Amino acid sequence: DAGITQSPRHKVTETGTPVTLRCHQTENHRYMYWYRQDPGHGLRLIHYSYGVKDTDKGEVSDGYSVSRSKTEDFLLTLESATSSQTSVYFCATEGRGTYEQYFGPGTRLTVT
Amino acid sequence: GENVEQHPSTLSVQEGDSAVIKCTYSDSASNYFPWYKQELGKRPQLIIDIRSNVGEKKDQRIAVTLNKTAKHFSLHITETQPEDSAVYFCAASRGMDSNYQLIWGAGTKLIIKP
Repeated sequence: DAGITQSPRHKVTETGTPVTLRCHQTENHRYMYWYRQDPGHGLRLIHYSYGVKDTDKGEVSDGYSVSRSKTEDFLLTLESATSSQTSVYFCATEGRGTYEQYFGPGTRLTVT
Repeated sequence: GENVEQHPSTLSVQEGDSAVIKCTYSDSASNYFPWYKQELGKRPQLIIDIRSNVGEKKDQRIAVTLNKTAKHFSLHITETQPEDSAVYFCAASRGMDSNYQLIWGAGTKLIIKP
């Protein structure tokens, strides 16, 4: 599983509160991605990183921010959680220049 | 923008029969086409992939075919077994300088009936 972990694995939070999800990898992969997965939509890219402090927006970035201060850690922050952000969030990495992405175990986030 | 369409959204087949899932893509610069399997509650995992310089690739009971002219590719599973029940996602690479982004299909839920 390419040494990718996510924390927390489950979280319930209230509308309007900030939430930070963490992705940690031990493979020294350069590229990291945050996706959300919702029924009928597959995997949608939120933000991605192509190196330390180098990040860019994906297709569904509104309401999310990211940071990458170290190669191994990629943080996703919901500044003010909304019910529409209830989802399963997956982190992925790519490190061999082959396009093959390796996924973390996911975080199930519920916003009430 | 670029997209990947995947059909069908649900596929139910008898155990032992074959299953075929199809995807079409729009980005003419795509040159890498993976298939991921996601079991219930688990992470997506790569099961097979193909690059644009080949038309077909096989790995035991699974195979992928690619038609670059028509911009479509398919996953074939033969002699289906209960453990093949899962959601399958296709994807296509974005063009060069895309930081290795993939464009994902919406997924196919494969149900194997005993």
